[in-house]
Amino acid sequence: GQNIDQPTEMTATEGAIVQINCTYQTSGFNGLFWYQQHAGEAPTFLSYNVLDGLEEKGRFSSFLSRSKGYSYLLLKELQMKDSASYLCAVSGSNYQLIWGAGTKLIIKP
Amino acid sequence: GAVVSQHPSWVICKSGTSVKIECRSLDFQATTMFWYRQFPKQSLMLMATSNEGSKATYEQGVEKDKFLINHASLTLSTLTVTSAHPEDSSFYICSACDREPYEQYFGPGTRLTVT
Repeated sequence: GQNIDQPTEMTATEGAIVQINCTYQTSGFNGLFWYQQHAGEAPTFLSYNVLDGLEEKGRFSSFLSRSKGYSYLLLKELQMKDSASYLCAVSGSNYQLIWGAGTKLIIKP
Repeated sequence: GAVVSQHPSWVICKSGTSVKIECRSLDFQATTMFWYRQFPKQSLMLMATSNEGSKATYEQGVEKDKFLINHASLTLSTLTVTSAHPEDSSFYICSACDREPYEQYFGPGTRLTVT
């Protein structure tokens, strides 16, 4: 079957760094997406990885290892507004997204 | 660019009535649109995938006769919840994609409350 795993909840301190992991097992792979979703709002795109390695975009970076079926989202210099759910999604063999359950990130002052 | 709108943003209706939700891609042509449902504190649940000019593909467990999807053009898809019941109350989100890597651009969502 197809499966995406990510931690349910994480807590971090304002100004710190946090890494959210995602492991996947899918039939086919056409890339991995990270989305941010604030409560009551629709998801917004953060990053896309299709090749192994690290993609950096400002305070956010995303890493992919296809051989390990593993990705992480790294958030630096955490701000209170980063409190949200972070969704990992894999584009499978038919380009349909397979979603993880999301990681709720709580930022404390 | 890549803006997707949804209308209405929220709706309250009585049990037994039908509700139509529109999803539009404003600045690109969407070859494929997706409809999701999200219950509180749960992840997105894909309901159906629709391609312009063809019938929607529904996920297992989603009643196609209850959730009618029409993808009439490359910029518009509609979801009609027929004979709505209180258990249909949820956050409905559409997304659209145009080309590889088939990134999905999300609409702002529609919150449906059935009384």
